[in-house]
Amino acid sequence: AQSVTQLDSQVPVFEEAPVELRCNYSSSVSVYLFWYVQYPNQGLQLLLKYLSGSTLVESINGFEAEFNKSQTSFHLRKPSVHISDTAEYFCAVSLMDSSYKLIFGSGTRLLVRP
Amino acid sequence: NAGVMQNPRHLVRRRGQEARLRCSPMKGHSHVYWYRQLPEEGLKFMVYLQKENIIDESGMPKERFSAEFPKEGPSILRIQQVVRGDSAAYFCASSPGQGITDTQYFGPGTRLTVL
Repeated sequence: AQSVTQLDSQVPVFEEAPVELRCNYSSSVSVYLFWYVQYPNQGLQLLLKYLSGSTLVESINGFEAEFNKSQTSFHLRKPSVHISDTAEYFCAVSLMDSSYKLIFGSGTRLLVRP
Repeated sequence: NAGVMQNPRHLVRRRGQEARLRCSPMKGHSHVYWYRQLPEEGLKFMVYLQKENIIDESGMPKERFSAEFPKEGPSILRIQQVVRGDSAAYFCASSPGQGITDTQYFGPGTRLTVL
């Protein structure tokens, strides 16, 4: 069975500092990888995704994630965070033969302090 | 273009009552998905529906839970005879298609509390 692990339930960081949110997955078959963000009182929004090709994917607001097949990881990074990045971040995978079925990690709350 | 709408946002029920959760997909989206998030856990897939059809209900509990997406109107997730363990956040998502390039857009969720 497939699973996604986000070891850090909360990551506090000061504004303008770099941050890395960790995500590891377990699967015996190839997967697609996603990061979703949830701002307070809102639905989840797709931040970025890896389907194929370059292992480094970027979002429009400065986040990036790198697919590492040997480490089965898809960590999310940002070199300098803003207060507005405070949110819950969910890592997810889906299988190629049922790509609509997202399998989520338990989420990491990023708390950016001034 | 309005996003995915869910109502109610908060629902309180006593044990044994019925809960009805509604989801209106984004305009132009004919694919709807329901996920459940138990406390301290990630979202878990429940069911995938297209208009008038259940495509995959592999994540639905075998009893008391049902879902529909009629030709007209919102998708409904129905929980009969609720128990305390049903307390969770229920999220709906929609997409224009089921391909990997069809992003799922999520609603804000309905938080169900069973007393």
